Amino acid sequence: SQKIEQNSEALNIQEGKTATLTCNYTNYSPAYLQWYRQDPGRGPVFLLLIRENEKEKRKERLKVTFDTTLKQSLFHITASQPADSATYLCAHNQGGKLIFGQGTELSVKP
Amino acid sequence: GAGVSQTPSNKVTEKGKYVELRCDPISGHTALYWYRQSLGQGPEFLIYFQGTGAADDSGLPNDRFFAVRPEGSVSTLKIQRTERGDSAVYLCASSFGTSADTQYFGPGTRLTVL
Repeated sequence: SQKIEQNSEALNIQEGKTATLTCNYTNYSPAYLQWYRQDPGRGPVFLLLIRENEKEKRKERLKVTFDTTLKQSLFHITASQPADSATYLCAHNQGGKLIFGQGTELSVKP
Repeated sequence: GAGVSQTPSNKVTEKGKYVELRCDPISGHTALYWYRQSLGQGPEFLIYFQGTGAADDSGLPNDRFFAVRPEGSVSTLKIQRTERGDSAVYLCASSFGTSADTQYFGPGTRLTVL
């Protein structure tokens, strides 16, 4: 079956460092992947979408890559700040419905 | 403009009771989605509507769960004979259409079944 997986262990980093989060998929080839941010008690908020023919996409301090050979997307936050602390979810769209990974909790310490 | 709103924000009920959760999508969005999220997990798809009709209800876990969107705007998720395992955050999202359109999520309703 199609699976999308993220590292369930929390990621703790120091302010100013680059955070890198991983999303792996198996048994399918998504045309694109999406990344969302979710804060406690809130719904997910869309951040970035990357298509299979795009190797990299950037938005301010965010960068997403898509490697169809490794079946993996990496999400980077450069110059991280405590305000970046949240859970980050990757997802793919399957006929309208979003299929999410389990999310990775990021904690940025000052 | 206003985002997706959901009511109530919290609902505590007893096992066996019936509950209704409401979602008010962004005005003009034709697609509406329901997801369920358990602690430490990503949202899990339940059902989505295109207009008034359910386009895909493959995520509803069993026939105790039902959702309606009678006028193509507000939607209600209905759970009969609630069980403790139904406890979760129920998220609603809406979008202009389907497929690649960005989905905008509400804050969710936290359901606790005692």
